[in-house]
Amino acid sequence: DQQVKQNSPSLSVQEGRISILNCDYTNSMFDYFLWYKKYPAEGPTFLISISSIKDKNEDGRFTVFLNKSAKHLSLHIVPSQPGDSAVYFCAVASGSARQLTFGSGTQLTVLP
Amino acid sequence: NAGVMQNPRHLVRRRGQEARLRCSPMKGHSHVYWYRQLPEEGLKFMVYLQKENIIDESGMPKERFSAEFPKEGPSILRIQQVVRGDSAAYFCASSPQGTGEKLFFGSGTQLSVL
Repeated sequence: DQQVKQNSPSLSVQEGRISILNCDYTNSMFDYFLWYKKYPAEGPTFLISISSIKDKNEDGRFTVFLNKSAKHLSLHIVPSQPGDSAVYFCAVASGSARQLTFGSGTQLTVLP
Repeated sequence: NAGVMQNPRHLVRRRGQEARLRCSPMKGHSHVYWYRQLPEEGLKFMVYLQKENIIDESGMPKERFSAEFPKEGPSILRIQQVVRGDSAAYFCASSPQGTGEKLFFGSGTQLSVL
């Protein structure tokens, strides 16, 4: 039973265009959401987060949107750059230790 | 300011052997988390430790797996009598606080069981 789902295993986007990565979750009690980026042979690195009291958080080219009624999270990258090519994981913080539950990831490829 | 250090980067073991994975958290961080990533899957939480204490091991398999974070030295994830299904990337992460949210990850140890 996957609590966090990323239904698109891969996404290709042209440089300069917008990349939209999506994530769905099942538990309406989740209250903190994060996106991590991962390059091959490296560990994930934190990208951006949002708490459930907000519906949008922006940091430079990265914006995260939260739709609580739909239990849906999305990450927008604009403009996309070739260096953004990586696997993107959404995650929720849950449990007494607030450990992260990750989605299965989306491989983003930005074409020059 | 070194990040989270994991070693070895690659570890090959035969079925039945023991695997020891080491993790040194970032300087000033006393909270360590271990995650496992199986092929084509996301990272799965295994265990959360503070110095000399296991706080949450709800993600650890009941047998053959153990973890420690001693007062001195790195955190160790130990897998006894490895099986092929243990082949995965094992990531350690640390944080200065015990919230587990904005974690700093190491580069991982790729365990291959022959």
